[in-house]
Amino acid sequence: NAGVMQNPRHLVRRRGQEARLRCSPMKGHSHVYWYRQLPEEGLKFMVYLQKENIIDESGMPKERFSAEFPKEGPSILRIQQVVRGDSAAYFCASSRAGTYTGELFFGEGSRLTVL
Amino acid sequence: EDQVTQSPEALRLQEGESSSLNCSYTVSGLRGLFWYRQDPGKGPEFLFTLYSAGEEKEKERLKATLTKKESFLHITAPKPEDSATYLCAVQARDYKLSFGAGTTVTVRA
Repeated sequence: NAGVMQNPRHLVRRRGQEARLRCSPMKGHSHVYWYRQLPEEGLKFMVYLQKENIIDESGMPKERFSAEFPKEGPSILRIQQVVRGDSAAYFCASSRAGTYTGELFFGEGSRLTVL
Repeated sequence: EDQVTQSPEALRLQEGESSSLNCSYTVSGLRGLFWYRQDPGKGPEFLFTLYSAGEEKEKERLKATLTKKESFLHITAPKPEDSATYLCAVQARDYKLSFGAGTTVTVRA
């Protein structure tokens, strides 16, 4: 399967712990986007990255959240000291073209539950 | 702030019963409007891009249209496999996508 791969699919954390979500883009894609989806709400943009660069992180909370896309390996979304409000589905998407193309290929998501 | 409102929230159809989903939007400088399909427990799957009022796109039983203030997704003679949540998204001058909350369509055999 050459699609966008996310892991883990499900993650349970206690308040105060750290969550790390990983995303490998489609083969040939160098642009990665992270979105968060809360129940009954639409997908919310978090961050747009290219290899070794954060292009736009305007949707990321200022504290506890960080993202990276290293030269080698998957993109990582890191949430430190998780709180109950962080419980959501986190989707990664990738594209071949740049500059915020609207035609994105999404992974199946990582569902974070904070106890 | 860009706003995308989808209606209805849920739609139950009998197989073969055609219907339409609505996506109304307010955005400064629309660059494109996108339709995605999302199955339970899965990520969204891209369906269509519309760029200008009057434009139409078709794929199997789905047809998307665009006006200056809204878009419609028409489902003609739906089948149970068309059951999914359909998401609308707009792309404004800042290039980011703003998604609506979706319309969940259930088609009964």
